Amino acid sequence: GNSVTQMEGPVTLSEEAFLTINCTYTATGYPSLFWYVQYPGEGLQLLLKATKADDKGSNKGFEATYRKETTSFHLEKGSVQVSDSAVYFCALKVTGGGNKLTFGTGTQLKVEL
Amino acid sequence: NAGVTQTPKFQVLKTGQSMTLQCAQDMNHEYMSWYRQDPGMGLRLIHYSVGAGITDQGEVPNGYNVSRSTTEDFPLRLLSAAPSQTSVYFCASSYDYSGSGEQFFGPGTRLTVL
Repeated sequence: GNSVTQMEGPVTLSEEAFLTINCTYTATGYPSLFWYVQYPGEGLQLLLKATKADDKGSNKGFEATYRKETTSFHLEKGSVQVSDSAVYFCALKVTGGGNKLTFGTGTQLKVEL
Repeated sequence: NAGVTQTPKFQVLKTGQSMTLQCAQDMNHEYMSWYRQDPGMGLRLIHYSVGAGITDQGEVPNGYNVSRSTTEDFPLRLLSAAPSQTSVYFCASSYDYSGSGEQFFGPGTRLTVL
């Protein structure tokens, strides 16, 4: 079956630190990969996505590259801000699976001054 | 546009009670879905709909019913609430079933079953 594995949280960083949140996946076929972000008290919103191998998704200073050889989609940001504090979810959607998303467990990020 | 709206925001039920969680979207999206979010388990799909009059089960459908009489609304019914249904429930919508995978989420309903 399909599954997504994320690193355990919480991750606590100082402002301007470098961020990496690891995500690996198992899927039948060739999935599209996503990062969603959930700010406190809100629903999830799409942060970035990649639909094929070697694609790089980017948004708001965050980046992730679809690595088929390592089945990974790690999220990175060069300099985090306090406003980036949120829960980050890695997710996948397989071709032919409609719009059904399979989510990881989420990684909480706390950024301190 | 209001996007995806959910009511209520919070609810406390006793075991055995029934209730309906409301979800509406004003983006004319065909695809709507319900997820539950539990600590350490991410989001799990309960039910989904690819258009008015069409619904199907997701990963964890037991104890929940849905219907889709209009494009805008997709209510989730708990027939006889159990403590295991204590969770945060999110409704989501997207343009179509075979689309890009981007889904728009509501703010959630936090449900506690005593």
